[in-house]
Parts: sequence; C-alpha cells; structure tokens
Amino acid sequence: AQKVTQAQTEISVVEKEDVTLDCVYETRDTTYYLFWYKQPPSGELVFLIRRNSFDEQNEISGRYSWNFQKSTSSFNFTITASQVVDSAVYFCALSDPGAAGNKLTFGGGTRVLVKP
Amino acid sequence: NAGVTQTPKFQVLKTGQSMTLQCAQDMNHEYMSWYRQDPGMGLRLIHYSVGAGITDQGEVPNGYNVSRSTTEDFPLRLLSAAPSQTSVYFCASSRDRAIYGYTFGSGTRLTVV
Repeated sequence: AQKVTQAQTEISVVEKEDVTLDCVYETRDTTYYLFWYKQPPSGELVFLIRRNSFDEQNEISGRYSWNFQKSTSSFNFTITASQVVDSAVYFCALSDPGAAGNKLTFGGGTRVLVKP
Repeated sequence: NAGVTQTPKFQVLKTGQSMTLQCAQDMNHEYMSWYRQDPGMGLRLIHYSVGAGITDQGEVPNGYNVSRSTTEDFPLRLLSAAPSQTSVYFCASSRDRAIYGYTFGSGTRLTVV
C-alpha cells in the first residue's frame, strides 16, 4: 500500500527565513509520481510540481526548490527567503500509473505560517 | 477556461437530509474523482471514474453515491447526511493516468448538524 508522511504539522517562520518541508513516501512500485500542492487560506489546491521516479534531479523554480532522494524515499520542498504570501498548507502526494482511478495518496499536510 | 467547477461552495445540512454536490469539467478529461479533506488526514479518495458510465469506490465510499453519465459531469450524492460527513469536498479531473496529476475544483465546505 502507498503511504505519504509529512511529519511536520506546522512550521512558523519569520519572513525571509528559509523553510524546508519534509515528505517521506512508501510504495512498492518502481514507477511512480510525486507531487506537491499548495492550499492557501482561500482553500483551493494549487499544483506546484510533479516528479517521476526515474528523475532524481533536483529542481528549482524561483524561490522554490525540491530535493528528491530515492534512496531515502524522500521528496523535500524548500522555500527560500519566505514571504507572507507563502503562508499555506502544503501537501505532498504520491501516485503510480497503475493505481485504480489515478488515485493520489496524500500526506497529512504541513501548515506554514510566515510572519512579517 | 473554467477548469473544474464545483457547486455549491458552502452547504449546511441536517442529519438525515440528502443532497448532491455538483462537479463539471471542460477539459475533456477522462479521469474524475471526489476527495474529502479532514484536518490532519490530507485528502482521501471517495469515488472515482475512468470514463463516462464507469465508476468505482475509493478509500471512504460509505454514505456516498456517484454517477458519470457524461464526460463533463461527476456529481456526488450524500444519501442520508451524518455529522461524520462534515468535511471539505474536492472534485478533481485528470487528462490521463497519474503522470499529469490532477486539476482540482475550489471545494465545497459541508457541515452536517
């Protein structure tokens, strides 16, 4: 069975600090996809990144970066120089192409609070 | 470019009432799903559909029904609302398989009293 664990339930930082969100996953599949979604206070789910299991390159998009380490089954997310607008709940999710109905397995989410 | 549209955004029901949450997408996606979001539990799959006329159960299907008569629409029916169904519900659609991820609707906040 697939499982995603986000051990940090809430992180509070002061603006301009860096913050790293941990994500650890479990799957028996060799082909799978990992995702991060952002849920701002308005409630919608915003897609941030998708990574497949064969691509272990780290990725940077502006102030966001992702560190995928297959050896430790982790897909961590770092926000550099955080801003108040980064305050949100962030979800890590896992799916494999064979999952019934394209099921996404979500972690419990990490709430990030960026204080001015 | 509407994406995934959910209605209503908010709803309060009394225990035992029934209702339908509407979901429509205009991207011609084959895969559609309903998730519920509860604090600390992330999102959990209720029901899903891989195409018109085909539906199946997810992790937490009890108390819910779905149908998929068209590619665009995927309504979720609560048969007899219970307080345990108080949650935020998200409809999502996907182009093909898991690799493209999902596009989510804006959610429906349901309270059952």
